[in-house]
Amino acid sequence: EVQLVESGGGLVQPGGPLRLSCAASGFSFNNYWMSWVRQAPGKGLEWVANIKQDGSEKYYVDSVKGRFTISRDNAKSSLYLQMNSLRVEDTAVYYCAREVGGWREFDYWGQGTLVTVSS
Amino acid sequence: DIVMTQSPDSLAVSLGERATINCKSSQSILHSSNDKNYLAWYQQKPGQPPNLLIYWASTRESGVPDRFSGSGSGTDFTLTISSLQAEDVAVYYCQQHYGTPRTFGQGTKVEIK
Repeated sequence: EVQLVESGGGLVQPGGPLRLSCAASGFSFNNYWMSWVRQAPGKGLEWVANIKQDGSEKYYVDSVKGRFTISRDNAKSSLYLQMNSLRVEDTAVYYCAREVGGWREFDYWGQGTLVTVSS
Repeated sequence: DIVMTQSPDSLAVSLGERATINCKSSQSILHSSNDKNYLAWYQQKPGQPPNLLIYWASTRESGVPDRFSGSGSGTDFTLTISSLQAEDVAVYYCQQHYGTPRTFGQGTKVEIK
C-alpha cells in the first residue's frame, strides 16, 4: 500500500526556518517525481515545488523561489522541503504528493502537515 | 502561468441528479506530441487530502465510480457527476500539468439541494 506521511509542521515566527519531511513507503520511491502542494486555511490548492527521480531537476512556484528548497534521499525514501524566510502567507497545510510520471497528475497524497507562520 | 478558471464556484444538486463543473484554461493544454490534454480532476472532502478522479481529461482513475466522467479538449473541460450521491459532497478541483508552475482551478463546492 502506497503511503506518504508528512512531518515537521508547526508554529514558526515570520522570517524563521522550518524543514518538512515526507516518508514514503509501499512503492519504489526512486522511480517517481515528487511534489509539494499547499493549501492555505479555507483556500484552494497551490503547487509549490517538484523534483525529478534523481534530484537533478527541481522546479518551484515563483512565490517560494530563493526561499524554499526541495530535496530527496532515495536511500531513505524521503522527500524534504526546507523553508527559509517564512512569511505569514506561507501558512498552509503542506501535502507531499506522488506524480504518476514526469509532467503528470498526482496519484497519491499524504495527509498533510500544518505550517503556521505567526508572531 | 496557465490560469485555470472553474465555474460555478458552488452548486447544489438534488440526490440522483446531474452535476456539471466547468474548467477553462488560459491557453491550450493539448500536447501535440501525444494528442493528450494535460488536465486532471480531484475531489477533496473536508479534512482529507485531494483524491485523483480523472486524468488526461477523460480517463477515470482506477476505483473511481463510473458516475464520474470528464470531457473536453484544448481549453475547455467538464467534470460530470451523472447521478449525485451523498458521498459526493466535496470540493472539486481541475489542474493542468502541461506547464510549470502546475496550476489548479479555484475549486467548486458541490452540495446536496
